[in-house]
Amino acid sequence: DVKVTQSSRYLVKRTGEKVFLECVQDMDHENMFWYRQDPGLGLRLIYFSYDVKMKEKGDIPEGYSVSREKKERFSLILESASTNQTSMYLCASSFFLGRGTTAGITGELFFGEGSRLTVL
Amino acid sequence: QKEVEQDPGPLSVPEGAIVSLNCTYSNSAFQYFMWYRQYSRKGPELLMYTYSSGNKEDGRFTAQVDKSSKYISLFIRDSQPSDSATYLCAMREDNAGNNRKLIWGLGTSLAVNP
Repeated sequence: DVKVTQSSRYLVKRTGEKVFLECVQDMDHENMFWYRQDPGLGLRLIYFSYDVKMKEKGDIPEGYSVSREKKERFSLILESASTNQTSMYLCASSFFLGRGTTAGITGELFFGEGSRLTVL
Repeated sequence: QKEVEQDPGPLSVPEGAIVSLNCTYSNSAFQYFMWYRQYSRKGPELLMYTYSSGNKEDGRFTAQVDKSSKYISLFIRDSQPSDSATYLCAMREDNAGNNRKLIWGLGTSLAVNP
């Protein structure tokens, strides 16, 4: 069973604090993603990684950075948290598109349960 | 105009009803169409996937793609309270930047009442 595990389900932080959100997947997926999900705005991609140490900016990277030192682990960092970063953060992983598995053909994303961050 | 439009609802139906969920899109290059289901306080999970046009059926669920109208639908027959969730459509082109360019609808919130 594919498992994507996010380290914290609920966090409360103060403005200006540094925040780390960690994500681990156990399916040997090449791709990993960080999204945020907000009412009325849907899922928005923050960062994407297709390999160790490789990253690409998504649609809303400002105020965030990421780290991928090992294939199974992808971390999202808020260097100085602000109230407008209060959100649900979702990590996901997938195979490379076209990899010879059903999930590689469909590009199915496997999501973690989410980390709800509140910045006061 | 957004690339993908999806009415966020909420949609409330009685148990046993047929539910129709829809998305429209503007990019004629989209080839892969997916429906994800998201239960409250959980991450989304893939429910149905269709390549190009046509229908696909899986139990009580049918996914339909009409590329000429740029319109996709998810039908749920004999809806159950356990179907209460948010349903998100997602779509991409053949060459989607290795999944980097998966485009999401906002999601439709569905409640099935016993």
